[in-house]
Amino acid sequence: QVTLRESGPALVKPTQTLTLTCTFSGFSLSTSGMCVSWIRQPPGKALEWLALIDWDDDKYYRTSLKTRLTISKDTSNNQVVLTMTNMNPVDTATYYCARSRGVIVEVDYWGQGTLVTVSS
Amino acid sequence: QSVLTQPPSVSGAPGQRVTISCTGSSSNIGAGYDVHWYQQLPGTAPKLLIYVNNNRPSGVPDRFSGSKSGTSASLAITGLQAEDEADYYCQSYDSSLSGYVFGTGTKVTVL
Repeated sequence: QVTLRESGPALVKPTQTLTLTCTFSGFSLSTSGMCVSWIRQPPGKALEWLALIDWDDDKYYRTSLKTRLTISKDTSNNQVVLTMTNMNPVDTATYYCARSRGVIVEVDYWGQGTLVTVSS
Repeated sequence: QSVLTQPPSVSGAPGQRVTISCTGSSSNIGAGYDVHWYQQLPGTAPKLLIYVNNNRPSGVPDRFSGSKSGTSASLAITGLQAEDEADYYCQSYDSSLSGYVFGTGTKVTVL
């Protein structure tokens, strides 16, 4: 059974760095084809893909946020970490981690999401 | 900003058929990349509804179907039920952005 769970701070101040951890089970990120993405959703708005890391440690980032994002994996502990620098109130959103079995294919499993509010 | 355009809302009476369009461009749907659809019930994470244009994961009712043509795709819900009230998102891959793109989202209301 595949599960993913996001963890991190619920509140961050403007200009701070956000660090989110995705802890997953039911698959291994060392298996060929496996990928984990971070996707966010501002309140009342659409889904927005942020970053993806694959089994081979290749990383892909949303073009408009590339300078602020870093994605990494800890295969032995089944975790993927996303850092986003220089947080702004417009970054307030529910952040999801999600699995796919390829870089261009569908997301087949989602975490429950974690709400991050950016406010002083 | 979202690269795939959907109507903000559609509605229908129970039992009716509704369709949701998803319009892309030559760097995503028009380039041949597959389209996937997700259902997001209020207060929950999205759930995969249709993958690779017209395939349903196990457990998804056959009332849901997808299609793709040119630079667009569509999701159809036949025999609309109250439990179908949710937000629906299309998704594809964009070669110019080198990443996933999602639609603007459509809220389905059952009258």
